[in-house]
Amino acid sequence: DGGITQSPKYLFRKEGQNVTLSCEQNLNHDAMYWYRQDPGQGLRLIYYSQIVNDFQKGDIAEGYSVSREKKESFPLTVTSAQKNPTAFYLCASSILGDFPGNTIYFGEGSWLTVV
Amino acid sequence: AQSVTQPDIHITVSEGASLELRCNYSYGATPYLFWYVQSPGQGLQLLLKYFSGDTLVQGIKGFEAEFKRSQSSFNLRKPSVHWSDAAEYFCAVGDSGGGADGLTFGKGTHLIIQP
Repeated sequence: DGGITQSPKYLFRKEGQNVTLSCEQNLNHDAMYWYRQDPGQGLRLIYYSQIVNDFQKGDIAEGYSVSREKKESFPLTVTSAQKNPTAFYLCASSILGDFPGNTIYFGEGSWLTVV
Repeated sequence: AQSVTQPDIHITVSEGASLELRCNYSYGATPYLFWYVQSPGQGLQLLLKYFSGDTLVQGIKGFEAEFKRSQSSFNLRKPSVHWSDAAEYFCAVGDSGGGADGLTFGKGTHLIIQP
């Protein structure tokens, strides 16, 4: 089945460590996104990418990094510079085109906890 | 900048009763509007979307939403809720470029179903 796969589902990070969250999609979508979700905050955009080897900062990019070496993959690294990384992270993807209202599809999310 | 307001953080409805979840948006051009649902610890599932045409939009699971430009609203409705509808509901707005820059989400409404 086509979809978006995020791994791991649960991840624990020690203070000062970098961790990488994986996101793979087999939907042949051009655009990929990373959102962070905190209780009562809704979803906030971290980074997005519309094409391989290119990506843009979202609203809360500080302390995060991404890469887009392949169309199918958009890993997110939470660096030690991110002061409050404990959150639920959601990867998403969509097609691009001239028609409006493209649907963004979401993965199942990854829980990151700092210990 | 675009924004979305969901005025109700929590709503409690009896099973079988009707439901309306409110969403107000702020956007300078024609908005592209979405409703997503999220079960605990899961990703987001698209319920419905509006980008043109009939202002009353039908979605999955018996949900519908009405776009009212004069009120900058896109409220979600269901005539009779089921216990399985208990979840978090998010309203989102995208830009006219096909949402390539990602969506802006409201903070969500938590729906509780009473037996």
